[in-house]
Amino acid sequence: DAGVTQSPTHLIKTRGQQVTLRCSPKSGHDTVSWYQQALGQGPQFIFQYYEEEERQRGNFPDRFSGHQFPNYSSELNVNALLLGDSALYLCASSFLAGQETQYFGPGTRLLVL
Amino acid sequence: QKEVEQDPGPLSVPEGAIVSLNCTYSNSAFQYFMWYRQYSRKGPELLMYTYSSGNKEDGRFTAQVDKSSKYISLFIRDSQPSDSATYLCAMSMNSGYSTLTFGKGTMLLVSP
Repeated sequence: DAGVTQSPTHLIKTRGQQVTLRCSPKSGHDTVSWYQQALGQGPQFIFQYYEEEERQRGNFPDRFSGHQFPNYSSELNVNALLLGDSALYLCASSFLAGQETQYFGPGTRLLVL
Repeated sequence: QKEVEQDPGPLSVPEGAIVSLNCTYSNSAFQYFMWYRQYSRKGPELLMYTYSSGNKEDGRFTAQVDKSSKYISLFIRDSQPSDSATYLCAMSMNSGYSTLTFGKGTMLLVSP
């Protein structure tokens, strides 16, 4: 049973560029959440997708956007990158109606120069 | 005041010691409590998941939740060098669909 997978593992971009990160949820899961983890901090919630709609959103600017596909996989897009966007981006999946919590992928490490 | 407070450590212990990790929180609406283990530069791995107050044991790990004090703990018995990692507490208001609010994480170092 494959867990949550994310691609790419590492990414280097320059300020002002745009980036797309990808996530495939754990088998049987229908909900995908994205988190940003800065160095030395706990993950911070960005947004959550269910049935291809953004269901909840944390305190992140509109430069952060996402998408969920019919197969439940998801993308996170960040426009106009800032140095402060450098972080580990984590995808977590869950089953909306279930009693389990979220399972995380290995993350994508983004460095903005 | 942050919603979830967690001492960042590092906490250094010798192999075989009993480790106690703790978090406090301010939002009484939290009902579900989790502990994740995160090795350096990896994603968080779920260790323990509990609902409301009480204890839960899984092997060498015991999670305790005291909602009246807004205090949760993770105990690790017979600690091993392989337990060296950052331990993140997290909590949510509901189960499958609820957003998680994390502490900053406590770095644990277990020396042989």
